[in-house]
Amino acid sequence: AQSVSQHNHHVILSEAASLELGCNYSYGGTVNLFWYVQYPGQHLQLLLKYFSGDPLVKGIKGFEAEFIKSKFSFNLRKPSVQWSDTAEYFCAIINTGRRALTFGSGTRLQVQP
Amino acid sequence: KAGVTQTPRYLIKTRGQQVTLSCSPISGHRSVSWYQQTPGQGLQFLFEYFSETQRNKGNFPGRFSGRQFSNSRSEMNVSTLELGDSALYLCASSLAMAGSYGYTFGSGTRLTVV
Repeated sequence: AQSVSQHNHHVILSEAASLELGCNYSYGGTVNLFWYVQYPGQHLQLLLKYFSGDPLVKGIKGFEAEFIKSKFSFNLRKPSVQWSDTAEYFCAIINTGRRALTFGSGTRLQVQP
Repeated sequence: KAGVTQTPRYLIKTRGQQVTLSCSPISGHRSVSWYQQTPGQGLQFLFEYFSETQRNKGNFPGRFSGRQFSNSRSEMNVSTLELGDSALYLCASSLAMAGSYGYTFGSGTRLTVV
């Protein structure tokens, strides 16, 4: 069975700080990887996705993620966070076998002005 | 274009009742998936419909069911409601099955069972 681990449950940063949120998954086969963001009171929005090709993926709002297959990781990064980045971030994977998104438990990011 | 529309936004039901939630996918999207979001269990997959057929199902009891219509709109039904069914129910649509093109989520229906 596939699973997704997000080790940071709650992260507090000051504006302009750099961000890296960890995501590790367990599945030995081919996976598609996603990062979703849920702003307070809003629906899940896709930040970025990786299906194949360049393992460094750029998404919206200055976010990027790097897929490291050997480490089963897909960490999310942003060089300089803003107060408006305060939200909950979810890593998710899907494999052709299970054919459904498996989400991590989420990381709540709080950016202080 | 319009996003994924879920109705109603909020529902309060009593234990033992049943409830039906509705989801209208993005125009052209033929796959509709349903997820349950709770503080304790996080986001969990319920089922996926494509071309009016259930293609995949998560680990939920038979009280949870769904269907998809020819226009790709989907409904989810929960019978004999339990307190633990209180959750945010999210619908996601996609062009093809299994999120080959990624999923777009709706705002959800918040169900409270009292």
